[in-house]
Amino acid sequence: AQSVAQPEDQVNVAEGNPLTVKCTYSVSGNPYLFWYVQYPNRGLQFLLKYITGDNLVKGSYGFEAEFNKSQTSFHLKKPSALVSDSALYFCAVRSHSWGKLQFGAGTQVVVTP
Amino acid sequence: DTGVSQNPRHKITKRGQNVTFRCDPISEHNRLYWYRQTLGQGPEFLTYFQNEAQLEKSRLLSDRFSAERPKGSFSTLEIQRTEQGDSAMYLCASSLDRTGVETQYFGPGTRLLVL
Repeated sequence: AQSVAQPEDQVNVAEGNPLTVKCTYSVSGNPYLFWYVQYPNRGLQFLLKYITGDNLVKGSYGFEAEFNKSQTSFHLKKPSALVSDSALYFCAVRSHSWGKLQFGAGTQVVVTP
Repeated sequence: DTGVSQNPRHKITKRGQNVTFRCDPISEHNRLYWYRQTLGQGPEFLTYFQNEAQLEKSRLLSDRFSAERPKGSFSTLEIQRTEQGDSAMYLCASSLDRTGVETQYFGPGTRLLVL
């Protein structure tokens, strides 16, 4: 069985400040981890994915994520948040290199000017 | 470069009616997934195709739901005898089977409201 937890329903941050969105996972075997972003009335946009290798993954729009095997976490980060980063962020996991994704419940990010 | 498209974008129907949604994947993508997303939740897997073969179905997919991908290109998802609990966003994603870690690309979704 695989599962994802996003412990924060909402994250509030001022523009220009660092942004962190938390994700922890549970999976049998090696994890394949993903972050997606969803803007209102739109589908999910792929941001980045973790494959075995570097623990710091760089993705689109200045986002990066840090994989921590001992803490089973894959937190999304951005050094300097923009108002346009305000959206719903989803973490997802699976136990194979392909196949269905298990998503977290999502974290709403609000960036204030 | 066109992405995944879904039609219609919105559908309002009365309880008991049948509805059908269409998904057109990115050209040459041979895997196609359907997910359902309810308010305040992440997407939940429904079913997936590799080419025209339906390889996995979730327990969420009751007998009232059927999906097809007849020529390995576009896919349809039909819900018969709709219920109010079927109200959700239905998302389609496609991917290309190649070496490495597969990335799924999502369409804009079809939002269904059952009255």
